[in-house]
Amino acid sequence: ETGVTQSPTHLIKTRGQQVTLRCSSQSGHNTVSWYQQALGQGPQFIFQYYREEENGRGNFPPRFSGLQFPNYSSELNVNALELDDSALYLCASSFGRAEQYFGPGTRLTVT
Amino acid sequence: AQTVTQSQPEMSVQEAETVTLSCTYDTSESDYYLFWYKQPPSRQMILVIRQEAYKQQNATENRFSVNFQKAAKSFSLKISDSQLGDAAMYFCAYREIYGGSQGNLIFGKGTKLSVKP
Repeated sequence: ETGVTQSPTHLIKTRGQQVTLRCSSQSGHNTVSWYQQALGQGPQFIFQYYREEENGRGNFPPRFSGLQFPNYSSELNVNALELDDSALYLCASSFGRAEQYFGPGTRLTVT
Repeated sequence: AQTVTQSQPEMSVQEAETVTLSCTYDTSESDYYLFWYKQPPSRQMILVIRQEAYKQQNATENRFSVNFQKAAKSFSLKISDSQLGDAAMYFCAYREIYGGSQGNLIFGKGTKLSVKP
């Protein structure tokens, strides 16, 4: 059974640019949740995708958007990057409301 | 809105000893889940233990156990016979059972646990 994977591992972008982060869910899972973890903080919920539709969103601006594909993998897109977007981005997959399994994260640095 | 508070930014324990990490939360719901997650330097968030609010019995997983006090909204984690591999950030998290979403997690700020040989 393949676990949750995320790519890339690290990424450096310039303020104002756009970025796409990717997540492959665990086999059999149909739900992907994205979290942002700033340095020294706990993860904060960005949004969740269930069967290709957004199914809940945290307190993040519209420049944070996402997609879920028919194979249940997911993308997180961030437009007009700001310095405060520098963080670890975690993806977690689950089967509906069951346990969430986390990927290793993508470290985004905005300069 | 639900909140989770971890009041101990850092804790230290001697190898083979016992340590307790504290967590309090605020919610108006009667049914929910509580979790402790471990995040080592590798960054992977690993589930340590889970507690269902409707269960009075405290959850245990090998050396890890919780003290769940529903009325006090307290959920502490006890690690017995601490090992060097237990060194990590520990996060307490809350999740609704019901509601429109599939149940997003609400995390505390974490406690950094060091284990001394």
